[in-house]
Order: sequence, then C-alpha cells, then structure tokens
Amino acid sequence: DTGVSQDPRHKITKRGQNVTFRCDPISEHNRLYWYRQTLGQGPEFLTYFQNEAQLEKSRLLSDRFSAERPKGSFSTLEIQRTEQGDSAMYLCASAGTQGTDTQYFGPGTRLTVL
Amino acid sequence: AQKVTQAQTEISVVEKEDVTLDCVYETRDTTYYLFWYKQPPSGELVFLIRRNSFDEQNEISGRYSWNFQKSTSSFNFTITASQVVDSAVYFCALSESGAGSYQLTFGKGTKLSVIP
Repeated sequence: DTGVSQDPRHKITKRGQNVTFRCDPISEHNRLYWYRQTLGQGPEFLTYFQNEAQLEKSRLLSDRFSAERPKGSFSTLEIQRTEQGDSAMYLCASAGTQGTDTQYFGPGTRLTVL
Repeated sequence: AQKVTQAQTEISVVEKEDVTLDCVYETRDTTYYLFWYKQPPSGELVFLIRRNSFDEQNEISGRYSWNFQKSTSSFNFTITASQVVDSAVYFCALSESGAGSYQLTFGKGTKLSVIP
C-alpha cells in the first residue's frame, strides 16, 4: 500500500504567479485534508474533502486559494497571484471512511515566493 | 476553541537517555483524540501514536510510551533509550468529535536533538 504522495516537492515562483499542487491520497481513503506549515510552527488546517465534496474551509483559505477533488481521488490546491506570505510547506493528509481514522501525511510541497 | 501547547521548544539529550515531551491541550468536547507526529528534516509528518479520550489505559509501543492525564489535560510522550535517529521535531495534535472534519490542531512542536 503506497502512502500519500504530493507533487511537486519544491516550487519556486515569482510574486504574482499562479501555482498548483497535487495530492494523491492512499487509495482507499475518502477523507482528504490540506494543511499549511510556516517555519517554526505546527501545521494549520486549510480545507477538508469527503470524497469529492469540499465540506470545510478555514478562514486561512483566502479567495486566492482554491482546492478541488474532482472525482474523489486526487486533489489539487491552486494559489492565484502568489504573495511572499504564501511561502510555506503545504501538506496533504488522507484518512479512511471514519472521522476518527488517523490522518496520514504526504511529504509536502515547499513553496517559495520570491 | 481547541488549543495545543508544547512548552518545550528544544530538548537535547545524550543517546540512550530517556526523554519526555510535554503536551497540554484545551477542548470543550468530551470525546476527542490525541496524536503525536514526528517530522524529521525531510519534512514528512510521520504518525507515531494516538489516544482516544475514552481509553482507559496508558500504553507502551516499543520504545514509545505515553501518559494521558485527563485531570490536567496533558498527553506526554516518552522515548526510552533515545537514538540519533529520533532527532526530529515532534508535534502533539488534537482532533475533536464536535468538528465534522475531525481536523487536527497542532502544537508548535518540540525539536529533539539526540547527541551521540
């Protein structure tokens, strides 16, 4: 059973550009989460999907951020008009069908906005 | 609102010493779940242990053990006979049953350095 994968692992972009990250969860997991982690801090929740439905969004998820999970499998997180404050590690996690199931994390995508 | 506090920012120990990482949490839910994750320099968060608020006993898993005290809202994590490979940042996290997403709230982490 493969784990959660994320692509790319690193992304460097210039301020104002759009970026998109991909997350492939563990195959039988229908719950998918995105978190953001800045230097020296713990991860912070961004958004949650159950199958293809986006059921919860944090207030951290500004209108420049959009996430999708079109067929309930992989998910994408897009940031439009990137700002230097968006520089962070973006982590994806997946969990089984029960809300109480443990979340397993991918390796993350490290974004640097110049 | 839920909150997790890890008061220890950094800890250094000599290899083979035991080390305890502290975690204090706040929640209004009566049913909740506590976790410890490890983040090595590579960046990936690795699940270590979990504890449900309604579990009765503290447990041991290999070199890891944890002490859950509901009365003091603490969930401390101990590594016995530490090894250099244990060097990482350790995060305590809380998930509440009242939140439909069961999203995790993390502490700021404790950086553990094991010196050979």
